[in-house]
Amino acid sequence: AQTVTQSQPEMSVQEAETVTLSCTYDTSESDYYLFWYKQPPSRQMILVIRQEAYKQQNATENRFSVNFQKAAKSFSLKISDSQLGDAAMYFCAYRSSSNFGNEKLTFGTGTRLTIIP
Amino acid sequence: DAGITQSPRHKVTETGTPVTLRCHQTENHRYMYWYRQDPGHGLRLIHYSYGVKDTDKGEVSDGYSVSRSKTEDFLLTLESATSSQTSVYFCAIKDRDTYNEQFFGPGTRLTVL
Repeated sequence: AQTVTQSQPEMSVQEAETVTLSCTYDTSESDYYLFWYKQPPSRQMILVIRQEAYKQQNATENRFSVNFQKAAKSFSLKISDSQLGDAAMYFCAYRSSSNFGNEKLTFGTGTRLTIIP
Repeated sequence: DAGITQSPRHKVTETGTPVTLRCHQTENHRYMYWYRQDPGHGLRLIHYSYGVKDTDKGEVSDGYSVSRSKTEDFLLTLESATSSQTSVYFCAIKDRDTYNEQFFGPGTRLTVL
C-alpha cells in the first residue's frame, strides 16, 4: 500500500521569503501522480500543483514549484515570495495512474504553514 | 470552481440516529468521492462512484453506505451514527478532461454526540 509522509507538522516563514515543505512517499509503482493541496481556514481544499511521475521536468505554477526526486521518492513544494494568503494547511497526496480500482488519493497528515508579517 | 455543493454544511446529531449527507455537482462528472478528514490522518477515502449506481468501497467504509441514482448527486449515509464518525466530510469529483485531478466541495462538519 502506498503511504505519504509529511514530517513537518508546522512551518513558518517571513513574508516575501521562500519556504520549502517536504513530502516523501512509498510506492512500488512506476507511474503515478503527485499533488499538493492547500487548505486555508475556510476549510476548502484547493489544488495547488500536480506532477506526473513520468515527467522529469518539475512542475511550476506561478510562485509554487516542486522538486520531484523519483528515485528518492521525494516531492517537496517550494513557495517563493510568500504572501499572507499562503497561510494554510498543505497536504501532499499520491494517486496511482491506473484509472480503475485505484481511485483514492492517499494523503499525508499535512503541514501547517504560518506567514510572519 | 468545480460546481460542487454539499449539504448540510454543519450538523449535530445523536448517537444511533441515521444521517445522510448530500453532494451535488453541476458539471456531469462521472467520478465522485467521499472522504473524511480527521486530525493526524489527513483525508481518507470512504466510498467512491464511477457512474450512476456504480460505487465501490474506500479504505474506511465500515459504518457508511452510499447511493448514486443520478449523475449529479452522491449521497453518504451513516445508518446509525457513532461518536467515532464525528469528522469533516468532503465530497470530490475527478476532472473530466485530465481524469487525474480531484476537486473538492466545501466540506460538512458532522458532530455525533
